Amino acid sequence: EPEVTQTPSHQVTQMGQEVILRCVPISNHLYFYWYRQILGQKVEFLVSFYNNEISEKSEIFDDQFSVERPDGSNFTLKIRSTKLEDSAMYFCASSDGTSVNNEQFFGPGTRLTVL
Amino acid sequence: QKEVEQNSGPLSVPEGAIASLNCTYSDRGSQSFFWYRQYSGKSPELIMSIYSNGDKEDGRFTAQLNKASQYVSLLIRDSQPSDSATYLCAVRWTGRRALTFGSGTRLQVQP
Repeated sequence: EPEVTQTPSHQVTQMGQEVILRCVPISNHLYFYWYRQILGQKVEFLVSFYNNEISEKSEIFDDQFSVERPDGSNFTLKIRSTKLEDSAMYFCASSDGTSVNNEQFFGPGTRLTVL
Repeated sequence: QKEVEQNSGPLSVPEGAIASLNCTYSDRGSQSFFWYRQYSGKSPELIMSIYSNGDKEDGRFTAQLNKASQYVSLLIRDSQPSDSATYLCAVRWTGRRALTFGSGTRLQVQP
């Protein structure tokens, strides 16, 4: 069964450093998303991406964040200058965009720890 | 502010019983509703989706939607210890693709 994959599973970085989180969405899906979950808190939407551009973003997704689809399979989230409060699980998700419900399937996540 | 509310639990049920999980949402302009299961330290796993009023069944799971009362529920029949997890309710508001999640209800199925 096709699934979303993410790398790395765990990333440790120093405050102020740049990190890139990588995702490979399900191959025939057209919509890609990033969510995050701070330990013990709700899953929060960051951004959605369609047709090589951002289609929707939340207030969390400020200028320090960017997304890119550098090739036909990868979808990346870059955090330019990490802060302590960026420590969280980051989930990539994808959907095919054709179903009425727009079901989104999540990858296993990347645990980001900012020291 | 559009909100999704869930009782945090834990909801404890004996093995073989029916577990009933509830979720309310703040905006009538809601398009689709989703139930995800999340094991500790893992990612959300889609159980089922619903967008029409009424019941939708899939195996041991039944989702129920009542748009007039703004609630959606999930019934798990013949609960198993492996069903012990946090169940997340998510809503897709009209005109958006983003999901808004509730804080989840922790279910414990006692053997």
